Amino acid sequence: NAGVTQTPKFQVLKTGQSMTLQCAQDMNHEYMSWYRQDPGMGLRLIHYSVGAGITDQGEVPNGYNVSRSTTEDFPLRLLSAAPSQTSVYFCASSYSAYNEQFFGPGTRLTVL
Amino acid sequence: DQQVKQNSPSLSVQEGRISILNCDYTNSMFDYFLWYKKYPAEGPTFLISISSIKDKNEDGRFTVFLNKSAKHLSLHIVPSQPGDSAVYFCAASQGGKLIFGQGTELSVKP
Repeated sequence: NAGVTQTPKFQVLKTGQSMTLQCAQDMNHEYMSWYRQDPGMGLRLIHYSVGAGITDQGEVPNGYNVSRSTTEDFPLRLLSAAPSQTSVYFCASSYSAYNEQFFGPGTRLTVL
Repeated sequence: DQQVKQNSPSLSVQEGRISILNCDYTNSMFDYFLWYKKYPAEGPTFLISISSIKDKNEDGRFTVFLNKSAKHLSLHIVPSQPGDSAVYFCAASQGGKLIFGQGTELSVKP
């Protein structure tokens, strides 16, 4: 049981490049979410999904896209990276929206 | 406008004593509150939670208190251990969407 896995662990991008952050869970959780954490701030919700085929926006969705084609995977896409997207990104999952969330180890992204 | 605030960026406590971490919120519609612990270069791990219909929840050395009239919750750790040294985040849930505080870094000295 691997829990929540994220790849890559580190990534450096140039402004304007695109990339996908991968997130997978093997706990059969319906609810998955993406957060970003910036220095001196708590985690902020980017997008979330309550099940396959259903996604919605969180607090800070601009510049990010998501899709949920399977229960296990919830990738986060940056279409045109900007320096303001330099952050640590965490993926999380839970049995439902009302249960505690399990977090992945994070992806540290730097946009130059 | 920050809906969940942890006003103490850091806290230092002696091993064996009580650690009290505080959190204030502004939205009375939050229905569920959680505390997470985070070590450097790792994801947050769930510690303890409390529903808005309760005022206390206990799990071993960890107790969370909720004061709805003051819109305040606190996490008590008794006794504190050096392994408790980490950043602690409180989070509030509305319809399953979590809003996090900025975190408090706890240092437990031997």
